[in-house]
Amino acid sequence: SQTIHQWPATLVQPVGSPLSLECTVEGTSNPNLYWYRQAAGRGLQLLFYSVGIGQISSEVPQNLSASRPQDRQFILSSKKLLLSDSGFYLCAWSGRGKGNQPQHFGDGTRLSIL
Amino acid sequence: AQTVTQSQPEMSVQEAETVTLSCTYDTSESDYYLFWYKQPPSRQMILVIRQEAYKQQNATENRFSVNFQKAAKSFSLKISDSQLGDAAMYFCAYRIEDYGGATNKLIFGTGTLLAVQP
Repeated sequence: SQTIHQWPATLVQPVGSPLSLECTVEGTSNPNLYWYRQAAGRGLQLLFYSVGIGQISSEVPQNLSASRPQDRQFILSSKKLLLSDSGFYLCAWSGRGKGNQPQHFGDGTRLSIL
Repeated sequence: AQTVTQSQPEMSVQEAETVTLSCTYDTSESDYYLFWYKQPPSRQMILVIRQEAYKQQNATENRFSVNFQKAAKSFSLKISDSQLGDAAMYFCAYRIEDYGGATNKLIFGTGTLLAVQP
């Protein structure tokens, strides 16, 4: 069966520090991968998605970047964190192609910027 | 552009009763997919139910069912025999078809927080 791992679960970082959140998927190949941010009491905002190694699409301009160095690895990064980067970050994967394939989510990372 | 609207920020239901959560969406597409996700306090996103727009029959998963009204662009979730474990944030989502279906992006509503009273 497929599983998705996301870490760390919780992170407290000072303003201006770098960020690296990692997400890996097991049990499937060539998945679509996604990074979402959820602000407190809000819905999910799609930040990045990837349909293959090295292929990253950005949905909103921001202080963050994403990379996909391997088929089942998706990394969310920042060189200098801002206070506004605080939130709950979720990684997700889905199968490809048409159909009712849902997205499957990791457990999330709660990021607090001080 | 497609949008998803959940007009009920919060709802409350008594244990064992039935509750309906509303969702409307806007699209010019004729073939699409809709989902309901549940996010309990643990913050994990859990798929509850899915619906294909080309299917007239409403999807059902145990105590969860949908009322899909394509013409009205409405996709409500009904929870029967509510349990304490149903307390969570519920998100409605619309799948965007892109690049021939390759990307499978979802647009989420802002969510409805459901409280279950014992």
